[in-house]
Parts: sequence; C-alpha cells; structure tokens
Amino acid sequence: GAGVSQSPRYKVAKRGQDVALRCDPISGHVSLFWYQQALGQGPEFLTYFQNEAQLDKSGLPSDRFFAERPEGSVSTLKIQRTQQEDSAVYLCASSLGDGTYEQYFGPGTRLTVT
Amino acid sequence: QKEVEQNSGPLSVPEGAIASLNCTYSDRGSQSFFWYRQYSGKSPELIMSIYSNGDKEDGRFTAQLNKASQYVSLLIRDSQPSDSATYLCAVKRYGQNFVFGPGTRLSVLP
Repeated sequence: GAGVSQSPRYKVAKRGQDVALRCDPISGHVSLFWYQQALGQGPEFLTYFQNEAQLDKSGLPSDRFFAERPEGSVSTLKIQRTQQEDSAVYLCASSLGDGTYEQYFGPGTRLTVT
Repeated sequence: QKEVEQNSGPLSVPEGAIASLNCTYSDRGSQSFFWYRQYSGKSPELIMSIYSNGDKEDGRFTAQLNKASQYVSLLIRDSQPSDSATYLCAVKRYGQNFVFGPGTRLSVLP
C-alpha cells in the first residue's frame, strides 16, 4: 500500500516568510508525528496527534511553529516568520496507534531558509 | 547527559562480519525501543522494535535489550555493503513522545 507522503519535498524560503508543510499518513494510521532533523543529527520530536487531537506539542521550538490535523488524516506543519535556524529536514511519521508504536516515516521536506 | 547516546562512528566492518551497534538511554522508565536505518539523503526506515529484556531476531538482525543496564544493541550478521548507513536508536518515553539518538554511521567494506 501507499506509504507516508510529504509535500513539498524541497522548500526554499526567504527569512521572514511563512511556510506550510503537508503530510499524508498511511491510510488507517491513527497516530501522526512531526520531527525536525538537522544535518548529522537524529530526528527531534516536535509534536504528536492521535486522530485530530494534538496530544503532545512539547517539542515545538517556538510559538512560530504550529501544526494541525483537522480531520484526523492529513496534517500541516506551519512555520511563521522563518529564521535561518529553521533550516532542516522536517519528517512526518505515522503509526497504527493500536498499542504498537512502530512509526513509518515519509520522505521528508528539506527546508532551506535564506 | 543526553537521553539517548550512540557512538557516532564511523564503525567499519569487513563484508561478512558481524556489526555491533550500541545505544544507552537515561530514562529508566522507558519501555519501548526501536532501531531505524537511514541511508544518506533518505528518511529513517524501521528495522526492529524490542519491548522485553533479552534478544529478538529477525533475519540477519538481532536486537538485544537490558533494561537494568539501560542498554540496547543491534547486531547485524553477515554484513553487506548495502548495510552501510546510519543506524538510529529510538526510545519511547511517556505517552507517544520519542527521543532518537544521534545515530551510528556504519561502513561495510567489500
């Protein structure tokens, strides 16, 4: 079946612009996660949804970061007034949410802020 | 102390050898542990999960967990050049909050 998809795959933004990154999870997966991965580092947890409910947003680095999943399927991560330190790969992952915790990652969106 | 620690490598092993990758974690309450493989420029892909103390085998891969020592390892038998990648250890903390280690770069030499 289809895996997790993300768009765009690459995004270049000028400092101060707003960006929106989209994630389409595996069909039927209840849990959805966003991670930020800097070069040479492991993914860092940003936020977690169970269906449409955002149950953990403890990893969002500032109030410029906002995520939503209004219908419990597609999710959008929005970054307002982008800064150079926001440059990273943003990964989305989904899991069944049935008490197992294996996550399946999308290809990521590489964001470059100039 | 970082929550999840891994040697950054690179770890170089000859083709056909056993590669041993190690991970330690600081939260004694952690219950679920995962190994992911990440090729350069690609996203992480799940190799194995392990929840109980002891060994879990899947093909050429064996995960080992020792909760008393707060230690997780991944053994890759009969290493192949295609196994050359970064291996990420991930630990589930509270709820659905996960923390990843920095990864160990493995190089399998033909």
